[in-house]
Amino acid sequence: EDKVVQSPLSLVVHEGDTVTLNCSYEVTNFRSLLWYKQEKKAPTFLFMLTSSGIEKKSGRLSSILDKKELFSILNITATQTGDSAVYLCAVEAMVIYNQGGKLIFGQGTELSVKP
Amino acid sequence: EPEVTQTPSHQVTQMGQEVILRCVPISNHLYFYWYRQILGQKVEFLVSFYNNEISEKSEIFDDQFSVERPDGSNFTLKIRSTKLEDSAMYFCASSERTGRGTDTQYFGPGTRLTVL
Repeated sequence: EDKVVQSPLSLVVHEGDTVTLNCSYEVTNFRSLLWYKQEKKAPTFLFMLTSSGIEKKSGRLSSILDKKELFSILNITATQTGDSAVYLCAVEAMVIYNQGGKLIFGQGTELSVKP
Repeated sequence: EPEVTQTPSHQVTQMGQEVILRCVPISNHLYFYWYRQILGQKVEFLVSFYNNEISEKSEIFDDQFSVERPDGSNFTLKIRSTKLEDSAMYFCASSERTGRGTDTQYFGPGTRLTVL
């Protein structure tokens, strides 16, 4: 059975700290791994990773994928209170080549950044 | 920036009633999806839709569920006879078809369905 596991499930840090969120997966027909940030409602897209070892960066956030060991990490440096959210890792599983695949989500990591 | 929209934001219904949840995907997107998230649980895939037909559906998506693209903009999820366990947040998502095999799915704000 396909699964995506995130750790830790929750994390409390202070502003300025650096955090690392983990995502491991076992998914048949892997196509890509995505990170989303979920505040009140909709998951908002952060990164899509398809190749091993290539870091994606956006401001203070960065992410990397290891397709051999089947995991990804999301780093947030110099955290701010606005980073408080649930961070979701999802793996896209391909059904038919070149068509949209379903996303399999992890449980999420709830990050709380204290002032 | 284009975004996925969903209506209503909150729907309350009695068990056994039919509900229709509506979504307007991003205009140039060709793949559409429905996911749900029961309170405190993971986001779960329900169904994907492309070229006016279902591409894939999960075990959750039984005969009580159906999807439709009634016109050029809306994408709907119908639950024929709601059950208590259908109470959840329902998210619509859409993605382009770039031909490169990987397309980001963008999510709407969700409809919270409460079945009493």
